[in-house]
Amino acid sequence: DLQMTQSPSTLSASVGDRVTITCRASQSISSWLAWYQQKPGKAPKLLISDVSSLESGVPSRFSGSGSGTDFTLTISSLQPDDFATYYCQHYNTYWTFGQGTKVEMK
Amino acid sequence: EVQLVQSGAEVKKPGESLRISCQGSGDSFTSYWITWVRQMPGKGLEWMGRINPSDSYTNYSPSFHGHVSISVDKSISTAYLQWSSLQASDTAMYFCARQPIGEPFDYWGQGTLVTVSS
Repeated sequence: DLQMTQSPSTLSASVGDRVTITCRASQSISSWLAWYQQKPGKAPKLLISDVSSLESGVPSRFSGSGSGTDFTLTISSLQPDDFATYYCQHYNTYWTFGQGTKVEMK
Repeated sequence: EVQLVQSGAEVKKPGESLRISCQGSGDSFTSYWITWVRQMPGKGLEWMGRINPSDSYTNYSPSFHGHVSISVDKSISTAYLQWSSLQASDTAMYFCARQPIGEPFDYWGQGTLVTVSS
């Protein structure tokens, strides 16, 4: 079975920091990779699809990169609204999520 | 505006049956898959399965196949997630989401909290 592994599980950061979250697939997934943001008690929000395509309305401080099995989500300058949990997802055949990375205030 | 509106929170006893719903509006309901995602308390997201509202074709995650059932009534743009016999381990938040073909989940319902306790 395909596994998606994120690191770190928790990340402590301050406003203005550059933040990077990694996601590794257990096998090559081409570009079928999305990132979501979830805040407590809310539904996830799609941020990025196809590895690096920002959804409409998502701030440009978010970016995605990678290929094959290794992917990253970068927030160039962390803002107060960005403290949340982030999930990567492979979305072809089976729709497997990573275990999540919680970005918390340092 | 695309919206998915889910039914309200439920409290059930083990062994009871349950059906929760997800009603779409704002776009052609039969043009996209509807998928269900589980989130257990304090845990991550798990894909459960999906349905094509145009023909009711379903796919299930092996982890959930046989334990839940997904159905649809396209005349009222509503998808359903159903259990015939709930267990305490089914306690979770359940989200429905819209899934364009070959794309990730772009619109989500607000979630339905299911609590199973004796």
